[in-house]
Amino acid sequence: NAGVTQTPKFRVLKTGQSMTLLCAQDMNHEYMYWYRQDPGMGLRLIHYSVGEGTTAKGEVPDGYNVSRLKKQNFLLGLESAAPSQTSVYFCASTPSETGLNTEAFFGQGTRLTVV
Amino acid sequence: GQQLNQSPQSMFIQEGEDVSMNCTSSSIFNTWLWYKQDPGEGPVLLIALYKAGELTSNGRLTAQFGITRKDSFLNISASIPSDVGIYFCAGQIQGAQKLVFGQGTRLTINP
Repeated sequence: NAGVTQTPKFRVLKTGQSMTLLCAQDMNHEYMYWYRQDPGMGLRLIHYSVGEGTTAKGEVPDGYNVSRLKKQNFLLGLESAAPSQTSVYFCASTPSETGLNTEAFFGQGTRLTVV
Repeated sequence: GQQLNQSPQSMFIQEGEDVSMNCTSSSIFNTWLWYKQDPGEGPVLLIALYKAGELTSNGRLTAQFGITRKDSFLNISASIPSDVGIYFCAGQIQGAQKLVFGQGTRLTINP
């Protein structure tokens, strides 16, 4: 039972480098999300997708891009990493029957440090 | 900005004690969710609430959707060591297809 799988689990980047975080879910969920978690801030939504080929901005989208070319995958890209993007990133998904932004299933997280 | 106020931010209790935490907001919510996050893991859903006044239990956990639709609480009875972690409330704001999270309550249990 894989659920939601994120890769990589850890990464250190230099300022200005780019990288892509991959999220894969095997539950046939329609909706997928990328959050970042910072101390004392809870989880904040970066971008989300309501289906294959669609993406939308969340609460803190600046500096990130996303793509949902396949239903099971949701990619988060950082084109030019900044120290302010040091965070733990979580991917999540929800089935269409529970609705958008409801009972989300989360991956294990990617801890990203930008130096 | 942060639309949910979760309290307390941290709790230090003895094993066997009961725990209570809550979330409040000035906004009206359609849904309240309570998650638990273990160290190094993603949040896991504990309880979902969909109606004002709804009271739902999951083992030793009980959560309620406030009658005003602006708050929710989570109680844990007879705490055990595996209850340690960070608890998050989350809610879907009425009219906005968006899930907002509280800041989290870090629970520490002394054996």
